[in-house]
Amino acid sequence: KNEVEQSPQNLTAQEGEFITINCSYSVGISALHWLQQHPGGGIVSLFMLSSGKKKHGRLIATINIQEKHSSLHITASHPRDSAVYICAVNLNYGGSQGNLIFGKGTKLSVKP
Amino acid sequence: EAQVTQNPRYLITVTGKKLTVTCSQNMNHEYMSWYRQDPGLGLRQIYYSMNVEVTDKGDVPEGYKVSRKEKRNFPLILESPSPNQTSLYFCASSFRGGAGYTFGSGTRLTVV
Repeated sequence: KNEVEQSPQNLTAQEGEFITINCSYSVGISALHWLQQHPGGGIVSLFMLSSGKKKHGRLIATINIQEKHSSLHITASHPRDSAVYICAVNLNYGGSQGNLIFGKGTKLSVKP
Repeated sequence: EAQVTQNPRYLITVTGKKLTVTCSQNMNHEYMSWYRQDPGLGLRQIYYSMNVEVTDKGDVPEGYKVSRKEKRNFPLILESPSPNQTSLYFCASSFRGGAGYTFGSGTRLTVV
């Protein structure tokens, strides 16, 4: 079983729709990250969370530590949001936060 | 401009011929790490470094070496590359382990 699970694997939406991508993890973590990988391959860090909720423009990320679950929401989706969204967690053991474990990603396609 | 620079962007090499992929950051970040990305497997951590002269194995360190002699550079060394190391490689850095990451543009390596 993967330590970080994302759903859905693939998502197609119409422009303007509200989108939710989910991430569940089974290990103790010190932080959770949401990353965006563009069609050209570049990776951008969107959010780092250890508790609560963060918002940046049309993107909102939440985390529930007790339930070991995080969600990434995109409001008023646009074709330029089309990308692969990746959840990653820093493991929390031995005092090291260097280990990073990734989900397999959610491929989002937003149609005009 | 704050960035992580990887070189080369593309590399085709033959089995057994030693190679080095360079990674350099200009943000005075303490933490640097290497990942490989493969279809169906997603991103996986190879090695990471919490600071100068401190390196640790990630999930898939076999066949790779790293060194961190100075803060800005974190080269990835393949002493005897094999075809199963054909992959897309990313370097990343952050202020500290567990903080937000800045990724390099990636190196697409093919070993024939």
